Amino acid sequence: TQLLEQSPQFLSIQEGENLTVYCNSSSVFSSLQWYRQEPGEGPVLLVTVVTGGEVKKLKRLTFQFGDARKDSSLHITAAQPGDTGLYLCAGGGRVTNAGKSTFGDGTTLTVKP
Amino acid sequence: EPEVTQTPSHQVTQMGQEVILRCVPISNHLYFYWYRQILGQKVEFLVSFYNNEISEKSEIFDDQFSVERPDGSNFTLKIRSTKLEDSAMYFCASSVDRGADTQYFGPGTRLTVL
Repeated sequence: TQLLEQSPQFLSIQEGENLTVYCNSSSVFSSLQWYRQEPGEGPVLLVTVVTGGEVKKLKRLTFQFGDARKDSSLHITAAQPGDTGLYLCAGGGRVTNAGKSTFGDGTTLTVKP
Repeated sequence: EPEVTQTPSHQVTQMGQEVILRCVPISNHLYFYWYRQILGQKVEFLVSFYNNEISEKSEIFDDQFSVERPDGSNFTLKIRSTKLEDSAMYFCASSVDRGADTQYFGPGTRLTVL
């Protein structure tokens, strides 16, 4: 069974601060996705990382996939109140798992103005 | 921008009743999925579907659950005899190919079993 652990579970920071959220597993994933989920809504895909060591940037968000494809991080620079939400990582297995995603527990981010 | 849609947004049912949750995947997508999220818990995979058959299912997806693509646009999840513990958000997702890296999720159906 593939498991993904996210840390921290909760994060509350002031506007303008930087933060990093981690997603770790003992399993290798063919790809890893980061989603953002608002209350009562479905996860919205932010980014997919596929190659070990890959770094992707989405405005103030920087995503990195570990070299061994077992872990990932999401770094937000100069956080804004609009960044408040639940951030989920999910791992995909292209070959053996028919594309299903295994989700982490999520990190609830609160950015205070 | 194309999106996955789900109906109803909220379904309330009595224990033991059958419910059908409906999804319209993105039109050129070929792989379809159902996930559920119990309140306060993680999103859990239920089933994946391709070429009119189940590709993979989880332990949660027991004989009470079934999926169907009755026509070219809809993808349904049926729960034959609902239990209290089936109360959750149910998310449909679709992808253009086999990889999870292209999965797009619908807004979900909140199922409440009384």
